[in-house]
Amino acid sequence: SQQGEEDPQALSIQEGENATMNCSYKTSINNLQWYRQNSGRGLVHLILIRSNEREKHSGRLRVTLDTSKKSSSLLITASRAADTASYFCATPTYSGGGADGLTFGKGTHLIIQP
Amino acid sequence: DTEVTQTPKHLVMGMTNKKSLKCEQHMGHRAMYWYKQKAKKPPELMFVYSYEKLSINESVPSRFSPECPNSSLLNLHLHALQPEDSALYLCASSQVPGGGLSGYTFGSGTRLTVV
Repeated sequence: SQQGEEDPQALSIQEGENATMNCSYKTSINNLQWYRQNSGRGLVHLILIRSNEREKHSGRLRVTLDTSKKSSSLLITASRAADTASYFCATPTYSGGGADGLTFGKGTHLIIQP
Repeated sequence: DTEVTQTPKHLVMGMTNKKSLKCEQHMGHRAMYWYKQKAKKPPELMFVYSYEKLSINESVPSRFSPECPNSSLLNLHLHALQPEDSALYLCASSQVPGGGLSGYTFGSGTRLTVV
């Protein structure tokens, strides 16, 4: 089952504009992670935000986390053509032995128009 | 070395073939994963190896058989696959199960086509 649900599913903006993607999840989390995937290849880890953090920055990326609403957002500022990719949020799943794999949301496909 | 290396990059196999996908990392990560990804869908977890022991098997059909020979290597053995098994197979690793503070490192995947 999908833990995270991103919206929008697709987003097309002009180069230089900001892009915002949202993610909602259902169960309690220890952390939430964002990944980028170019053209169906491997995923690249962008940023991890812990449940006790509200905001985190990395270069042109800004991630927020609202645990009361079970939601997170990823903001990419001053977008570039190279930012065209699919973006996924992901949360760890847990069994009796601790954290196991990651469960990914459906993803947002971002297109940056030159 | 900060990469996860997957081979082959592309694989076409018949439904009666036996083949293996390979994954290697030299970052000292103690958890390794196999994910399956269909077009325009998110990755789906197949197997988790934690400290070289299989800890998660997400009800994957027995025609997929994972193997972890040592802490750096992960194999996925394929036998009698079906056309619907055609997908991108991704290997990933993390310092600790669940990703810890640095998340997962993914390989670039093997694009598998079953004919």
